Amino acid sequence: DGGITQSPKYLFRKEGQNVTLSCEQNLNHDAMYWYRQDPGQGLRLIYYSQIVNDFQKGDIAEGYSVSREKKESFPLTVTSAQKNPTAFYLCASSHVGNSPLHFGNGTRLTVT
Amino acid sequence: GQQLNQSPQSMFIQEGEDVSMNCTSSSIFNTWLWYKQDPGEGPVLLIALYKAGELTSNGRLTAQFGITRKDSFLNISASIPSDVGIYFCAGPPGRGSGTYKYIFGTGTRLKVLA
Repeated sequence: DGGITQSPKYLFRKEGQNVTLSCEQNLNHDAMYWYRQDPGQGLRLIYYSQIVNDFQKGDIAEGYSVSREKKESFPLTVTSAQKNPTAFYLCASSHVGNSPLHFGNGTRLTVT
Repeated sequence: GQQLNQSPQSMFIQEGEDVSMNCTSSSIFNTWLWYKQDPGEGPVLLIALYKAGELTSNGRLTAQFGITRKDSFLNISASIPSDVGIYFCAGPPGRGSGTYKYIFGTGTRLKVLA
């Protein structure tokens, strides 16, 4: 079945460590996205990519980095510069244009 | 910046009741999307709307693209316990600007009492 796979489901890290969240899709979508969700809030865009080897900052990109070396993969690194990294992270993908986003099942990151 | 306001923020209803929620924008949208999110999971697309005035159904769910293009409505008929969750509206603002920066509402939290 086609879909978006995020791993791991839960991730725990010590403050000051970088951590990378995985996102893989086999929907043949060109565009991929990373969102952050905090309790009781909506989704905020971190980064998005419309094509391989290109990506743009979203609304809250500070303290995060991404790469898009393959169409299927869009990993997100949460760096030690991110001041409040504990959150639920969602990866999504879509065809180009105003196509609906399809989401993975998220990674819950806890930094202590 | 542009915002999406969802109403109500939360609601408790009895099983079998109909549910209505809406989403309003400060600017024109060309597409409206409605998602449902279960606890600890990613949002799942329920309905996509692409044309002002469009009315689309998906089972017990019906959504409408407002005529002003600044609002959308989602109705759930004969609610059941599994309808519990958070419902989000979303859309890409702009007139063919090519932006992929979807904006999401803050969600309507639905709880169904059996």
